[in-house]
Amino acid sequence: NAGVTQTPKFRILKIGQSMTLQCTQDMNHNYMYWYRQDPGMGLKLIYYSVGAGITDKGEVPNGYNVSRSTTEDFPLRLELAAPSQTSVYFCASSRKETQYFGPGTRLLVL
Amino acid sequence: QQQVKQSPQSLIVQKGGISIINCAYENTAFDYFPWYQQFPGKGPALLIAIRPDVSEKKEGRFTISFNKSAKQFSLHIMDSQPGDSATYFCAASMDTGRRALTFGSGTRLQVQP
Repeated sequence: NAGVTQTPKFRILKIGQSMTLQCTQDMNHNYMYWYRQDPGMGLKLIYYSVGAGITDKGEVPNGYNVSRSTTEDFPLRLELAAPSQTSVYFCASSRKETQYFGPGTRLLVL
Repeated sequence: QQQVKQSPQSLIVQKGGISIINCAYENTAFDYFPWYQQFPGKGPALLIAIRPDVSEKKEGRFTISFNKSAKQFSLHIMDSQPGDSATYFCAASMDTGRRALTFGSGTRLQVQP
């Protein structure tokens, strides 16, 4: 049981490039989330999903997009990367109130 | 609008001492209040959680105290150990809808041997 896995662990992007952050969970959870964590700050919700085919925006969705074609996978797409997107990105999943987090993806946009 | 305020930002405690971290929330619709522990380079992990129908919950050395009327809750770590050195986040969520967590800004705890 791997829990929540994220790839890549670390990535450097140039301004204007695009990339997809991968997230997979093997716990058959309906709820999945993407958060970003900036230095010295708490995590902020980017997007969430309550089940396959259903996604919605969180507090900071600008510059990101998501899809949820299966229960297991919830990729986060960055289009036209900007320095403001430099952050650590965490994916999480839950069945009820307890959220389980992946190890994170550290992204640096230069 | 920051809905969960956490203090202090950082905390240094001697081994064996008590660590206390405080949080205050604004949204009275929140009905689930977890604390997460995060080690460097790792994702947050659930430490302990409480619902507003109880005023205190204890799990080993960790205790949550909850004051519904004041909209405040706190984490107490008894007999703090160097292995407790980590960043602690309080959070809050509603048990309906998206169930997403609203996090406090975090407290970096350092337990000195």
